[in-house]
Amino acid sequence: EVQLVESGGVVVQPGGSLRLSCAASGFTFDDYTMHWVRQAPGKGLEWVSLISWDGGSTYYADSVKGRFTISRDNSKNSLYLQMNSLRTEDTALYYCAKDWNDEFFFDYWGQGTLVTVSS
Amino acid sequence: NFMLTQPHSVSESPGKTVTISCTRSSGSIASNYVQWYQQRPGSSPTTVIYEDNQRPSGVPDRFSGSIDSSSNSASLTISGLKTEDEADYYCQSYDSSNRGVFGGGTKLTVL
Repeated sequence: EVQLVESGGVVVQPGGSLRLSCAASGFTFDDYTMHWVRQAPGKGLEWVSLISWDGGSTYYADSVKGRFTISRDNSKNSLYLQMNSLRTEDTALYYCAKDWNDEFFFDYWGQGTLVTVSS
Repeated sequence: NFMLTQPHSVSESPGKTVTISCTRSSGSIASNYVQWYQQRPGSSPTTVIYEDNQRPSGVPDRFSGSIDSSSNSASLTISGLKTEDEADYYCQSYDSSNRGVFGGGTKLTVL
């Protein structure tokens, strides 16, 4: 059974930093591209970033480019999102999602971890 | 980059059929596959349609997807509506720069 378990969400002040983690199990992690998707409270889904199976390619939404860094450790079956220079508009539930065969289709999602940026 | 535009809300009665549209602002809707996700309150999204019109195993055949190049849009059709279909539905695609794009979401009310 595929499982994606996010962690690391907390309350942080504007300008602060945070690292989210996603622990994956139930599939061969290093075969798949992985994504982060977020959802602000009461709002829609927003794609944040993706990383290729080997970490060699990364892409970001314009809203986070230059502030967030996606990475992975295939030896630990883990995905990460380093978030710097946080803004109040980054407040959201952050989901880790598995890509299906590099088709930019999210076939499995975690339960999300909540990041709140507030003073 | 492009946007995907969905109606904010739709409503229909149980047993009826509803169609949710997703219009691409620029570039051809056929250029990149469209997916549809269902999100019930308090839950993570799940896929109901992928690659324009494919249904994952376990999704009932009451759910179907299509694209229409003339209107540059994708559509999700749910027939034989059930109260359990009440949820938010999101279309999703991606651009040529490998960035994901979601529609704003449509709240389906089954009343």
